[in-house]
Amino acid sequence: AQSVSQHNHHVILSEAASLELGCNYSYGGTVNLFWYVQYPGQHLQLLLKYFSGDPLVKGIKGFEAEFIKSKFSFNLRKPSVQWSDTAEYFCAVTPPPGSARQLTFGSGTQLTVLP
Amino acid sequence: GAVVSQHPSWVICKSGTSVKIECRSLDFQATTMFWYRQFPKQSLMLMATSNEGSKATYEQGVEKDKFLINHASLTLSTLTVTSAHPEDSSFYICSARVEARSYEQYFGPGTRLTVT
Repeated sequence: AQSVSQHNHHVILSEAASLELGCNYSYGGTVNLFWYVQYPGQHLQLLLKYFSGDPLVKGIKGFEAEFIKSKFSFNLRKPSVQWSDTAEYFCAVTPPPGSARQLTFGSGTQLTVLP
Repeated sequence: GAVVSQHPSWVICKSGTSVKIECRSLDFQATTMFWYRQFPKQSLMLMATSNEGSKATYEQGVEKDKFLINHASLTLSTLTVTSAHPEDSSFYICSARVEARSYEQYFGPGTRLTVT
């Protein structure tokens, strides 16, 4: 079955700490990969996406993610977090061509950044 | 660009009544819209995929007679929760897909439904 796993349910960091959130998926073949963020009381926003090309993608607000095909991973990173990064982060995948191609979401990681 | 709106943002209804939620793409045309349900502290679960002018495709376990979806135009999809019960209380989120942008989806702000 298709699935997306986010290993950390809740991460607590101090400001200026570095961040890495894990994401693994179980599809085979070509996939599109996304990270979304949901700030408290707000709607989902796209942080970054990977379709093809350079496996290191840069998104908004200083976030980046690296696609490692051999590990089926797409981890999210940020060198120095801010209090305003407190939010829920979702990894999402669209399955290979030929299937319905809707997004499948991971369970989410709540990030709390302490001032 | 690529803004999706939902109305209402919050609704309370009595058990047994029906509630309609609207999802609109404000500045683009969306041939495909999706409806998700999100429980507190959990991820988004896809309920159905809605294509303009055709019947919605429901995910396994989602009652199509209870969650009626209509995608009448390229900018509007509606979700009607019929004969709502307290267990239907949840956060409902729609998204719209812009085909030309490689299946990227844009999400609405969500609708909080509380059934008493």
